[in-house]
Amino acid sequence: GEEVAQTPKHLVRGEGQKAKLYCAPIKGHSYVFWYQQVLKNEFKFLISFQNENVFDETGMPKERFSAKCLPNSPCSLEIQATKLEDSAVYFCASSQRREDGEQYFGPGTRLTVT
Amino acid sequence: SQQGEEDPQALSIQEGENATMNCSYKTSINNLQWYRQNSGRGLVHLILIRSNEREKHSGRLRVTLDTSKKSSSLLITASRAADTASYFCATDAWTGSRLTFGEGTQLTVNP
Repeated sequence: GEEVAQTPKHLVRGEGQKAKLYCAPIKGHSYVFWYQQVLKNEFKFLISFQNENVFDETGMPKERFSAKCLPNSPCSLEIQATKLEDSAVYFCASSQRREDGEQYFGPGTRLTVT
Repeated sequence: SQQGEEDPQALSIQEGENATMNCSYKTSINNLQWYRQNSGRGLVHLILIRSNEREKHSGRLRVTLDTSKKSSSLLITASRAADTASYFCATDAWTGSRLTFGEGTQLTVNP
């Protein structure tokens, strides 16, 4: 597609429950990025993929967060045993390396942990 | 962590006026991108300027980049109420790398 798609739009989980978020990058884009917006103005990088391979995972809290980008499937970000502090908006972005590197963002998934 | 600062944090102007937002960063960059975020929505890509460029235009947007001062500015001319949003700059170290965001400027354009 021509836009990055993210599902679900909203997700509510009780503390300790699992959360799984999905992202379909723009067709033909080989890089996928996940960012977390915790406060209104603060973005934190989590992980990036080049096709199905992890490219940079230095932002990921390793204990509870995992992510995948498998062929012919949406990419996913999974949080095991969610905590209150995981409440945030999670954005996925994609880019095409052959161009300048603009990253195009999806509408985000708002995760609320209660 | 955030790369740098945006200035001002908030800006309120009247429709038709120009709005200028500034962004500073700390490390060497490859590209600098500006994004708009309407309240509760995703990020809309506005413009990308490369480290070897000094100025770029797109419609009512004008972006400048001064790598010696590690700063960029976004000028929106003839602002409209629909321009009301938060504006973020974001830098990358090389094409394909993560973006590091500034803290954003909240722009309010009053009709």
